[in-house]
Amino acid sequence: EIVLTQSPGTLSLSPGERATLSCRASQSLSSNYLAWYQQKPGQAPRLLIYGASSRATGIPDRFSGSGSGTDFILTISRLEPEDFAVYYCQPYGTSTITFGQGTRLEIK
Amino acid sequence: EVQLVQSGAEVKKPGESLKISCQGSGYRFTSYWIGWVRQMPGKGLEWMGIINPGDSDTRYSPSFQGQVTISADKSIFTAYLQWGSLKASDTAMYYCARLPHYDSIIEYWGQGTLVTVSS
Repeated sequence: EIVLTQSPGTLSLSPGERATLSCRASQSLSSNYLAWYQQKPGQAPRLLIYGASSRATGIPDRFSGSGSGTDFILTISRLEPEDFAVYYCQPYGTSTITFGQGTRLEIK
Repeated sequence: EVQLVQSGAEVKKPGESLKISCQGSGYRFTSYWIGWVRQMPGKGLEWMGIINPGDSDTRYSPSFQGQVTISADKSIFTAYLQWGSLKASDTAMYYCARLPHYDSIIEYWGQGTLVTVSS
């Protein structure tokens, strides 16, 4: 089973700043099969990014994903108030589903 | 419009049984897998297992094998998650999710069902 490590655990930033979230996998992911989800309090998660860098339908272009192999990054270029949430990464095409432990993005 | 609508919140006592549901609409129910995700209070997402409603192929995460049962009734476009004997540690939000394959991205989520187990 692939183990995911997300860092930092909590990220404190101000609106307008740039956020960089990391997800490291214990084994290389084939075809960069890595997804990112956003979860706001009291809501179900929402798919943001798949294939490491492709935005899901309706996701603003301030969200971008990058990386390959074992190291992946989610970048939010200029934080909006609604972006403060918890973010999870998830590899796929690995015979089972796992999630990273999450990064909480909080307002500084 | 694709929708996954889950059954309402439940309050149960330890030892009781429970079956919660997830009804899909707006798509061909048997063409996609339905998975279940647990989120304990203040914690992250945990994958429980998944079912193909078309042929009832079911796969469980090792952590949940033997602890829950996943099933589906394709005639009413509904998947289920059930417990035979609840424990206080089963208190959590449970989400159903639609996936194109058993190990792919999750495009759609249900709204969640809160299960509270308390004496």
